[in-house]
Amino acid sequence: DAGVIQSPRHEVTEMGQEVTLRCKPISGHDYLFWYRQTMMRGLELLIYFNNNVPIDDSGMPEDRFSAKMPNASFSTLKIQPSEPRDSAVYFCASSPTNRGYNTEAFFGQGTRLTVV
Amino acid sequence: GENVEQHPSTLSVQEGDSAVIKCTYSDSASNYFPWYKQELGKGPQLIIDIRSNVGEKKDQRIAVTLNKTAKHFSLHITETQPEDSAVYFCAEDVRDSSYKLIFGSGTRLLVRP
Repeated sequence: DAGVIQSPRHEVTEMGQEVTLRCKPISGHDYLFWYRQTMMRGLELLIYFNNNVPIDDSGMPEDRFSAKMPNASFSTLKIQPSEPRDSAVYFCASSPTNRGYNTEAFFGQGTRLTVV
Repeated sequence: GENVEQHPSTLSVQEGDSAVIKCTYSDSASNYFPWYKQELGKGPQLIIDIRSNVGEKKDQRIAVTLNKTAKHFSLHITETQPEDSAVYFCAEDVRDSSYKLIFGSGTRLLVRP
């Protein structure tokens, strides 16, 4: 497997524009996570899905952020409208379950978003 | 609520020396404690983990210890090498009705050759 695949790797956009980040999890993994990484706040969990269903979105900063998982092999994180403070590296991660025990989360390479 | 404190934020050691990174968590229900290594331009990668029913786990040059009473867990790297230079994150997971991995603030480790 190629691992978790995120696109694009880099995104530069103007304030007010819509931004869509994409993620393809590892096949067979039933958990998918979206994290945001900044110098000030570190790695923050934004939202996670189990079997394509959003379970906890308490980390989503504002209504400007939304995430979807239409099927087991694809998820999107959308920011509309984008603001300069949204500039960060956004990571997608996926994880299998193992008889109810916690297991390793596999991270993608991340999308570096810059909003100017 | 869930919270993980990690220290130090930066650590510089001489090649061959040991490095220790410590984390403290607040939720007594936490039962899974992984450590991730993040190299420049890459996503975090799991290097070792420990569950609450174990006090210590070792994998070659790295080891993790857990003290549930004190709510502390630590990463130990022995015989450090330049390729160990990276940012290390501890994390905790609380398995109640959800699966939520909460990360510490990270430690930037520099191994001087």
